[in-house]
Amino acid sequence: SQQGEEDPQALSIQEGENATMNCSYKTSINNLQWYRQNSGRGLVHLILIRSNEREKHSGRLRVTLDTSKKSSSLLITASRAADTASYFCATDGGGNQFYFGTGTSLTVIP
Amino acid sequence: GAVVSQHPSRVICKSGTSVKIECRSLDFQATTMFWYRQFPKQSLMLMATSNEGSKATYEQGVEKDKFLINHASLTLSTLTVTSAHPEDSSFYICSASGLAGGPDTQYFGPGTRLTVL
Repeated sequence: SQQGEEDPQALSIQEGENATMNCSYKTSINNLQWYRQNSGRGLVHLILIRSNEREKHSGRLRVTLDTSKKSSSLLITASRAADTASYFCATDGGGNQFYFGTGTSLTVIP
Repeated sequence: GAVVSQHPSRVICKSGTSVKIECRSLDFQATTMFWYRQFPKQSLMLMATSNEGSKATYEQGVEKDKFLINHASLTLSTLTVTSAHPEDSSFYICSASGLAGGPDTQYFGPGTRLTVL
């Protein structure tokens, strides 16, 4: 399976704290993307980082990529209750298909 | 822009019946559409990739005769779950990519919740 793994599986933090979740994958990639999913809903694209990039920022989001370790991290700073959702990384495996990680369920407590 | 819709959003059917789910790209031409399945509290699993006008490519372990995919136009792909059984109950999500967004970009539909009784 090309599915990646994420840790932690679940994360619970207080509002205002930072949340970090990690993704490891198995194959070479062209890019890695992070998505958010509210319970029972579709996916929202958060950020794309290409294989030649090491770090990328978008608002309160910071993504890092280490292709030598085949891993990525997503940092959400100054979390809000509205950030409560599941977060998935997706890799392209070198092609145009996406393979999703196992996901991290984030709960931000007001 | 880049909106993908799915219909129906929710469907309940009896065991043994077939269910068709539609995925439409509303404001762009989708050269490639993807179908995913998501079980409760699990990740999305890619089922198949379909290019307009050609046969779908199924991932290992996905039965092509059970999950029929048709991508007859650049704005519509359908997934038919044939002879559905309770174990097929799942959240089915489609995504679409087109020339404008490039192969890196997939736009996801809101999903279809299938419950087979």
